[in-house]
Amino acid sequence: NAGVTQTPKFQVLKTGQSMTLQCAQDMNHEYMSWYRQDPGMGLRLIHYSVGAGITDQGEVPNGYNVSRSTTEDFPLRLLSAAPSQTSVYFCASSPFGSTDTQYFGPGTRLTVL
Amino acid sequence: AQSVTQLDSQVTVFEEAPVELRCNYSSSVSVYLFWYVQYPNQGLQLLLKYLSGSTLVKGINGFEAEFNKSQTSFHLRKPSVHISDTAEYFCAVRGSYQLTFGKGTKLSVIP
Repeated sequence: NAGVTQTPKFQVLKTGQSMTLQCAQDMNHEYMSWYRQDPGMGLRLIHYSVGAGITDQGEVPNGYNVSRSTTEDFPLRLLSAAPSQTSVYFCASSPFGSTDTQYFGPGTRLTVL
Repeated sequence: AQSVTQLDSQVTVFEEAPVELRCNYSSSVSVYLFWYVQYPNQGLQLLLKYLSGSTLVKGINGFEAEFNKSQTSFHLRKPSVHISDTAEYFCAVRGSYQLTFGKGTKLSVIP
């Protein structure tokens, strides 16, 4: 049972490039989410999904796209990277329900030059 | 809508001293509260959670928190800290589908 996995661990992009951050979980959780963590800002929700085929926006969705074709995977796409997207990105999952604990991946540290 | 305010951005204490990390919340729905810990260069890990019932919640690593509805607080405490407790601590409130985090408190434990 690997829990929540994220790839890559580190990434450097140039402004305007696109990329996909991968997130997978093997716990059969319905709910998955993406956060970004910036110094002094805590974690802010980017997008979330309550099941395959269902996604919605969080607090800071601009510049990011998501899709959920399977229960296991929830990739985050940066369409045209900007320096403001330099951050640490965390994926999390939980069984469906508002009282459930969220399980976090190890994070992806992204730098946009 | 939900919000969380962590009243201290940094706390420094000596090893074996007690510590309290303060958290205030607001929520328009049923209150579910969490404390997560993040060790350096790692993801977040659940310390404890309050869903209902007893207002004193015990978590891992000797931490506990008390839910106070009248003061809308959920402060985290440990009676005697260790060097290994050095980390960043996040208070969070869960809404219908979203987890709203505070900005974090960095705890430094010095020998």
